[in-house]
Amino acid sequence: QKEVEQNSGPLSVPEGAIASLNCTYSDRGSQSFFWYRQYSGKSPELIMSIYSNGDKEDGRFTAQLNKASQYVSLLIRDSQPSDSATYLCAVHDNNDMRFGAGTRLTVKP
Amino acid sequence: GAVVSQHPSRVICKSGTSVKIECRSLDFQATTMFWYRQFPKQSLMLMATSNEGSKATYEQGVEKDKFLINHASLTLSTLTVTSAHPEDSSFYICSASYQGSGETQYFGPGTRLLVL
Repeated sequence: QKEVEQNSGPLSVPEGAIASLNCTYSDRGSQSFFWYRQYSGKSPELIMSIYSNGDKEDGRFTAQLNKASQYVSLLIRDSQPSDSATYLCAVHDNNDMRFGAGTRLTVKP
Repeated sequence: GAVVSQHPSRVICKSGTSVKIECRSLDFQATTMFWYRQFPKQSLMLMATSNEGSKATYEQGVEKDKFLINHASLTLSTLTVTSAHPEDSSFYICSASYQGSGETQYFGPGTRLLVL
């Protein structure tokens, strides 16, 4: 069974802090990795994708991928209350996209 | 770019009726569309995957005769919930990907179905 695991949280950080979200996956053949944000009652929206080992930065977001250790993480710098949402990790192998259950992040003013 | 719309955004129907939900890719041709269901405070559950012009592939446990999927064009897929019952009440979300998107799925805004 191919798995994508995330800590369900809730993860609480103060405004302005760095939020660190982690995700592990079981299928070594996975090629593509994604982070989505889902506000309560809304559908997921893409934050970023990452395909190669290392870091990828986009504004306040940095995705980190380590294929050897089979984990992908998302760092949110200067967290804002508007970042409070559930963050979904998604992993694609050659056939399917698998979503983690999500980590609920709360940024406190 | 890569905008996906869904219609309706919310629907209330009586038990036993059928409901059709449309999913459209507005600015790209979607080679593959996906239908998900999400119950409150639970994770996304993939129901089926469809490619334009071919039959949908349903996930295990999803009744293909109850959840009819039609992917008639590269920009439109429909999900029909037939003979809906209260337990079908959920948040239905479609997503779409295109050739060259690197397997990225772009989600529609979702349709909230309430069956009375």
